[in-house]
Amino acid sequence: TQLLEQSPQFLSIQEGENLTVYCNSSSVFSSLQWYRQEPGEGPVLLVTVVTGGEVKKLKRLTFQFGDARKDSSLHITAAQPGDTGLYLCAGAMSGGSNYKLTFGKGTLLTVNP
Amino acid sequence: NAGVTQTPKFRVLKTGQSMTLLCAQDMNHEYMYWYRQDPGMGLRLIHYSVGEGTTAKGEVPDGYNVSRLKKQNFLLGLESAAPSQTSVYFCASSRGTSGQSYNEQFFGPGTRLTVL
Repeated sequence: TQLLEQSPQFLSIQEGENLTVYCNSSSVFSSLQWYRQEPGEGPVLLVTVVTGGEVKKLKRLTFQFGDARKDSSLHITAAQPGDTGLYLCAGAMSGGSNYKLTFGKGTLLTVNP
Repeated sequence: NAGVTQTPKFRVLKTGQSMTLLCAQDMNHEYMYWYRQDPGMGLRLIHYSVGEGTTAKGEVPDGYNVSRLKKQNFLLGLESAAPSQTSVYFCASSRGTSGQSYNEQFFGPGTRLTVL
């Protein structure tokens, strides 16, 4: 059972376009993290959201945690080729098992110059 | 600080051979993890450790063993490699959920393993 569904799975856009990536679940998470992975490297943490409805901005990237803490979105404004990579969301379950993260399968973003 | 390092970076094995992947972290993190990443499957947790001397099974533990004899090291062993274990293996560490930490994980660069 895939607890975190990411969409779209693949996204190819032109430089300057805006995009949104979604991370959805039927489960409630105590926190949710977004990572970016470049080819041949390990994932790197971008942000952690904790409070329902929380919005965090990281330059051109805007992250939102759903009010019910079951979903999240990542919006990129004016995408650049350097944004190319695999974007992964990961959630920490509420309760005692929060030493493990549940990862989505990722969204592979390609930004063409 | 080197962060999380993994050795080797690449390895080719024949079916039935054994090997050990080494992960080391210099951030004094309590928690350490081994994942495998396969196309279309995402990151899957193999084994993890919440402290020196402790290990636990993750989502896909069969065919793997681990040891955490020292806090900074986490070893992943394959006793008898199979082609199904061809994958990219990532080690990660975290402080856990103490204080303002929400188990954010720091990943190594990965080991690409091919089993023929």
